[in-house]
Amino acid sequence: QVQLQESGPGLVKPSQTLSLTCTVSGGSISSGSSSWSWIRQPAGKGLEWIGRIYTSGSPNYNPSLKSRVTMSVDTSKNEFSLKLSSVTAADTAVYYCARVFYSSGWYWFDPWGQGTLVTVSS
Amino acid sequence: QTVVTQEPSFSVSPGGTVTLTCGLNSGSVSTTYYPSWYQQTPGQAPRTLIYSTNTRSSGVPDRFSGSILGNKAALTITGAQADDESDYYCVLYVGSGIWVFGGGTKLTVL
Repeated sequence: QVQLQESGPGLVKPSQTLSLTCTVSGGSISSGSSSWSWIRQPAGKGLEWIGRIYTSGSPNYNPSLKSRVTMSVDTSKNEFSLKLSSVTAADTAVYYCARVFYSSGWYWFDPWGQGTLVTVSS
Repeated sequence: QTVVTQEPSFSVSPGGTVTLTCGLNSGSVSTTYYPSWYQQTPGQAPRTLIYSTNTRSSGVPDRFSGSILGNKAALTITGAQADDESDYYCVLYVGSGIWVFGGGTKLTVL
């Protein structure tokens, strides 16, 4: 059973780049039925989709974040990563990674990582 | 800009039935948007409830069901229990590789 685990610094200074990694276990990140997503959630607010990446092909990003987001995949390590540049306090949130699974003509987000809190502060 | 709409809050009595909806600021939700539903309790990651319109994820009780009602996706809880008190989110695929989450519905059971 596929499991996801986020890792990365919990504190980032304003204007710097937030970097997170999601390690996939229990399955291959190269599975043809899967793509890989980042979602975030500021405290007390809703979920915001950040982007999605396949192991091949171009990633897709939330238009509101596109100018600052870069996602990548490392198939040798079975992990994928998020970089968000020029962060401000508004980027403080719990960041989740999730698989976008495709089966029987449908897509959904499952499983999810447990989430990691990233605080932007000097 | 596509906005996915959900009721900010809803209240249901124990044992009652409640239907939460997931719509679009313009247009109708259909299966081509691949609506799915997630439950989140405080401090926890979201849990998958429903996908493929009305397929329950593993371990989800059958009191949860999904549908397309009119121009919206819907999540119905029949026989609500106290531990259903949670935040509920839908997500839609809006094309060009883009997904949009609704703002979430805070469900109170009392």
